[in-house]
Amino acid sequence: GAGVSQTPSNKVTEKGKYVELRCDPISGHTALYWYRQSLGQGPEFLIYFQGTGAADDSGLPNDRFFAVRPEGSVSTLKIQRTERGDSAVYLCASSQRLGRVYNEQFFGPGTRLTVL
Amino acid sequence: GQQLNQSPQSMFIQEGEDVSMNCTSSSIFNTWLWYKQDPGEGPVLLIALYKAGELTSNGRLTAQFGITRKDSFLNISASIPSDVGIYFCAGQLSGSEKLVFGKGMKLTVNP
Repeated sequence: GAGVSQTPSNKVTEKGKYVELRCDPISGHTALYWYRQSLGQGPEFLIYFQGTGAADDSGLPNDRFFAVRPEGSVSTLKIQRTERGDSAVYLCASSQRLGRVYNEQFFGPGTRLTVL
Repeated sequence: GQQLNQSPQSMFIQEGEDVSMNCTSSSIFNTWLWYKQDPGEGPVLLIALYKAGELTSNGRLTAQFGITRKDSFLNISASIPSDVGIYFCAGQLSGSEKLVFGKGMKLTVNP
């Protein structure tokens, strides 16, 4: 079966522009996560969806960042008025809710965003 | 954002050597995880640890969940060229689904 897919793989934009990053989770996975990975750093949590609702958005850095998952499957991360500091790899992960202590998060390859 | 203290930041070793890396935190974690990331890819889970003191192996990899629940280590024995990559520790707090990652350790294996 297919893993987590993310599109586009690379996005170059200009400062001040709006961008959308898409994540297709593994089929049947109810939980979806967005992380941001800056150069030389580990991934940092942004937001977590359980079904259609954002269960934890404590990692979103400011109100320029917004994410949706309207049908409980595909998710879109939206960044308004992009800044050079938003340049990073944006990773998406998905997991099943199996009632375990830890439900393994499977990561996609990421979208590399460059803001000029 | 919060990140774990992971060391060393990089290692250069010869094929066949063993390598160790560790991770510490000021917070108590419910779960400790070790991931490997190859260039252009997302992290892939290597080992998950659920109990303080737990020692778990996966092939040539061995990891331990520290007794204080604030640290973990990963050992790789008899390294091979395909072990090259960046290794991340990650922790999960009780009652939270999000993962907190370390900064990573870049491993280079010379054949």
